Amino acid sequence: DQQVKQNSPSLSVQEGRISILNCDYTNSMFDYFLWYKKYPAEGPTFLISISSIKDKNEDGRFTVFLNKSAKHLSLHIVPSQPGDSAVYFCAASVGSYGQNFVFGPGTRLSVLP
Amino acid sequence: EAQVTQNPRYLITVTGKKLTVTCSQNMNHEYMSWYRQDPGLGLRQIYYSMNVEVTDKGDVPEGYKVSRKEKRNFPLILESPSPNQTSLYFCASSLSVGNTIYFGEGSWLTVV
Repeated sequence: DQQVKQNSPSLSVQEGRISILNCDYTNSMFDYFLWYKKYPAEGPTFLISISSIKDKNEDGRFTVFLNKSAKHLSLHIVPSQPGDSAVYFCAASVGSYGQNFVFGPGTRLSVLP
Repeated sequence: EAQVTQNPRYLITVTGKKLTVTCSQNMNHEYMSWYRQDPGLGLRQIYYSMNVEVTDKGDVPEGYKVSRKEKRNFPLILESPSPNQTSLYFCASSLSVGNTIYFGEGSWLTVV
């Protein structure tokens, strides 16, 4: 059973509009969450993170929201650009020292010009 | 330039022929790990290492071995590869546990 779920395998958004990528988790022990972006033939690159003591973290066009009671986080990209087209992975840390990161299956975002 | 380097990037091998995928990082990171990425499953952790000579199993360790004799290197060993180990493998490192993870570019492995 997947502990981190990204229920939308793909998402298409028009350039300039908002992209919202969702992630749900089942393990209430998770206390640190990250988003990674992956282009084809490249390794994932870190995008933004949030710890469980916060409910929002913003970095430029990227904002991550965390709803602990719902065990849900989302990544907002505003405005979306064609260069944002990639696979986005949500990840959560588990374990007393956060030594494991559990990744979701990814959502492929396509930003259409 | 800070980076995580994996080799080989692409490999086709036969069942049962031992192989090693090397991983090296130049950031003096303590924490290193290996992941495999399969369609619909995302990244799954194989093994991780919190420091030299300290390794532990991740979620899918069966069929793999690792070693951490030096801080910068963390090779992944497939003693007897099988077709179900055909996958895209990523090595990763971070300064310490809980910090941002930096990934290598990936190694495509096909076992026939």
